[in-house]
Amino acid sequence: NAGVTQTPKFRILKIGQSMTLQCTQDMNHNYMYWYRQDPGMGLKLIYYSVGAGITDKGEVPNGYNVSRSTTEDFPLRLELAAPSQTSVYFCASRQQALQDYGYTFGSGTRLTVV
Amino acid sequence: AQSVTQPDIHITVSEGASLELRCNYSYGATPYLFWYVQSPGQGLQLLLKYFSGDTLVQGIKGFEAEFKRSQSSFNLRKPSVHWSDAAEYFCAVGARSGGATNKLIFGTGTLLAVQP
Repeated sequence: NAGVTQTPKFRILKIGQSMTLQCTQDMNHNYMYWYRQDPGMGLKLIYYSVGAGITDKGEVPNGYNVSRSTTEDFPLRLELAAPSQTSVYFCASRQQALQDYGYTFGSGTRLTVV
Repeated sequence: AQSVTQPDIHITVSEGASLELRCNYSYGATPYLFWYVQSPGQGLQLLLKYFSGDTLVQGIKGFEAEFKRSQSSFNLRKPSVHWSDAAEYFCAVGARSGGATNKLIFGTGTLLAVQP
């Protein structure tokens, strides 16, 4: 059971470039989340999804887009990369009942925009 | 609105010493409470959780946490720290209502260093 898989693990982008961060889970979880982690700031929610075809903004959605065409996949798109998007990105998923297991996290994508 | 405060940004303890990491939350009722650990270069791993019942909960790796309603706290403890416990620790809260839109709110983390 792989859990939550994120690719790539590392990426360097130039300002203005675009890229997609991939996230796949094999636990049949309906709920999926994208967070960014910056030093001393904890985790900030970018976007989340409660099922295929349904997405919504979190605290810091500007500069990002998401889609959820299947239960398994929840990619995060950066259209015009900016230095402020340099961060570590985590994807997470959870079961129906939050109290059962909390979130399952992927191992993260470290992105640098230069 | 929910919020979580971890007042200690960085803590250093000696190997074998006891540990307590503080977490305070703000919420109108008793939330779901979690502690996660993040080793360098890794994702977050669930240590333990509280949602009802006994206010002292046991987790993995010898950690425990105590929910104190009167103090709105959920402090993490370990009697004897091992060098492998060096990591960043995050407290998180989730609302008991909200259903599908229920999301975890994370604290800013406490970085634990362990001295030999």
